[in-house]
Amino acid sequence: ILNVEQSPQSLHVQEGDSTNFTCSFPSSNFYALHWYRWETAKSPEALFVMTLNGDEKKKGRISATLNTKEGYSYLYIKGSQPEDSATYLCALHTGRRALTFGSGTRLQVQP
Amino acid sequence: NAGVTQTPKFRILKIGQSMTLQCTQDMNHNYMYWYRQDPGMGLKLIYYSVGAGITDKGEVPNGYNVSRSTTEDFPLRLELAAPSQTSVYFCASSYSKVGRWEPPYGYTFGSGTRLTVV
Repeated sequence: ILNVEQSPQSLHVQEGDSTNFTCSFPSSNFYALHWYRWETAKSPEALFVMTLNGDEKKKGRISATLNTKEGYSYLYIKGSQPEDSATYLCALHTGRRALTFGSGTRLQVQP
Repeated sequence: NAGVTQTPKFRILKIGQSMTLQCTQDMNHNYMYWYRQDPGMGLKLIYYSVGAGITDKGEVPNGYNVSRSTTEDFPLRLELAAPSQTSVYFCASSYSKVGRWEPPYGYTFGSGTRLTVV
């Protein structure tokens, strides 16, 4: 069984704070690491697909880095806004079957 | 462009009843998936399909069946519903080039079906 671990489980920050969370995964058989944003009562939406060690992706105030040798990825949100409140999922692709998802980090941004 | 459409959005079933969750995509994606999400847990893969006529089991296939007769449709069948199948079900699709493996593009998810078995 593949373990994709996300931490923390939940996070409360104030508007304007910058924050980051971690996704850890087994470094063997790595093909791709996905990040998704999941707002309450909606469906998950793809943020990034990362494949190369050292890869960095950015979308507005959200960015992600990837270290495949040590098996982790960080997601950063700069200057959090209330609309950033969501659950952030990471998922691992090992070339077999489908994505294996972590259980997510739930972010609440207080105005 | 509708993306991935799931029906119904909500359903209550009695123990032992059967039902089919419908999933349709209009993006010509070759890969389709069914996941379930239980409270506090991540998404668990039930079944997936890499193309019409081809399906395979995921982590938690027991109590479910699927078929993929067309590229667009990937229905999930529950036979003899049990309380353990109370969950939120998500269908998703993605595209991956045939004949040469490449990491898949991001998944497109449907809006989910909330199923309660009583």
